[in-house]
Amino acid sequence: NAGVTQTPKFQVLKTGQSMTLQCAQDMNHEYMSWYRQDPGMGLRLIHYSVGAGITDQGEVPNGYNVSRSTTEDFPLRLLSAAPSQTSVYFCASSYSRSQGLNTEAFFGQGTRLTVV
Amino acid sequence: GIQVEQSPPDLILQEGANSTLRCNFSDSVNNLQWFHQNPWGQLINLFYIPSGTKQNGRLSATTVATERYSLLYISSSQTTDSGVYFCAVEPRAGNNRKLIWGLGTSLAVNP
Repeated sequence: NAGVTQTPKFQVLKTGQSMTLQCAQDMNHEYMSWYRQDPGMGLRLIHYSVGAGITDQGEVPNGYNVSRSTTEDFPLRLLSAAPSQTSVYFCASSYSRSQGLNTEAFFGQGTRLTVV
Repeated sequence: GIQVEQSPPDLILQEGANSTLRCNFSDSVNNLQWFHQNPWGQLINLFYIPSGTKQNGRLSATTVATERYSLLYISSSQTTDSGVYFCAVEPRAGNNRKLIWGLGTSLAVNP
């Protein structure tokens, strides 16, 4: 049971480049989300999904896109990287309330992104 | 929106000492979790504890939902306990499932 798998672990981008952070889970969790962690600010929600084909914005969605074509995968796309997007990114998954199980969130190992 | 406050912000312990970390939240919650972020940045689930008391080895946690706080107890601390401890809550109000995070308690355990 791999849990939540995030790739890559580290990435350096130039301003204006685009890239996709990958996230996959094998726990049949309906709910998946992306957070960014910045010093002194805790974790902030970027986008989330309550099931395949359904996504919604969190607190800080600008500059990011997501899609959820399968239950397992929830990639995060940076459209045109900016230095302000330098951060550590975490993907998380959990059962949804409709699955009738506890909603404990599990996190991937994180992606440390630097935009120069 | 809901506020999550953790205390103390920083803590230095000698190996073997005990400590209590606190998490206060300002509104009703469906879910409360404690995490340990180790020095390598990994977020490790410690407890899923919207109410009641749980124990796992040297760690235990208590959430008193009616009084809107949770406590994390670390007994006989070890250097491997160093890192940042986060409390995160899922507000009961609204349909948004996001976790609201405290700013963490940074713990250093010295040998």
